[in-house]
Amino acid sequence: DQQVKQNSPSLSVQEGRISILNCDYTNSMFDYFLWYKKYPAEGPTFLISISSIKDKNEDGRFTVFLNKSAKHLSLHIVPSQPGDSAVYFCAASATNRDDKIIFGKGTRLHILP
Amino acid sequence: NAGVMQNPRHLVRRRGQEARLRCSPMKGHSHVYWYRQLPEEGLKFMVYLQKENIIDESGMPKERFSAEFPKEGPSILRIQQVVRGDSAAYFCASSPTENLLYNEQFFGPGTRLTVL
Repeated sequence: DQQVKQNSPSLSVQEGRISILNCDYTNSMFDYFLWYKKYPAEGPTFLISISSIKDKNEDGRFTVFLNKSAKHLSLHIVPSQPGDSAVYFCAASATNRDDKIIFGKGTRLHILP
Repeated sequence: NAGVMQNPRHLVRRRGQEARLRCSPMKGHSHVYWYRQLPEEGLKFMVYLQKENIIDESGMPKERFSAEFPKEGPSILRIQQVVRGDSAAYFCASSPTENLLYNEQFFGPGTRLTVL
């Protein structure tokens, strides 16, 4: 029973263009959402987060959009750079219930030269 | 300020042996989380510990797996009588407080366990 779904296992984007990574969730109790970036042989590193009281959060080239009614969030990276090639994990937490973070399976982003 | 440290980075065990994975949280962090990542899968929560307490072990297999976070020293994830299906990357994360609205979990580099 996957509560956080990343339906695209991989995505290829031209350098300089916009990368859009999508994530859907099923648990309406989730109120905090995170994106992590992972390089091979390293642990995930926190990228950006959004609380359910907001619908957008921006940090430099990274913007996360949250659509609560659709239970959908997306991460936009613009412009995409070669160093953005990594696996991106969407994660969610129901902070009023417990501290578990539930992760999606990840999307592998390839930035093409 | 050193990050989350895990050792060993790679561990090879034969079926039936024991595996011990260590995690030292970031300085000042008192909350430790263990996750497992199977090939082609996301990270799956296993257990959440504070010093000398297991807070949530709902993701731990019922048998052979145990975790501790003693008053002194690193957190240990112990897998007894390993089987091939235990082969995975095990990640530890730490946070200074349980309020995720203000803090995120910081991950270590992981321990890659291979069971022959």
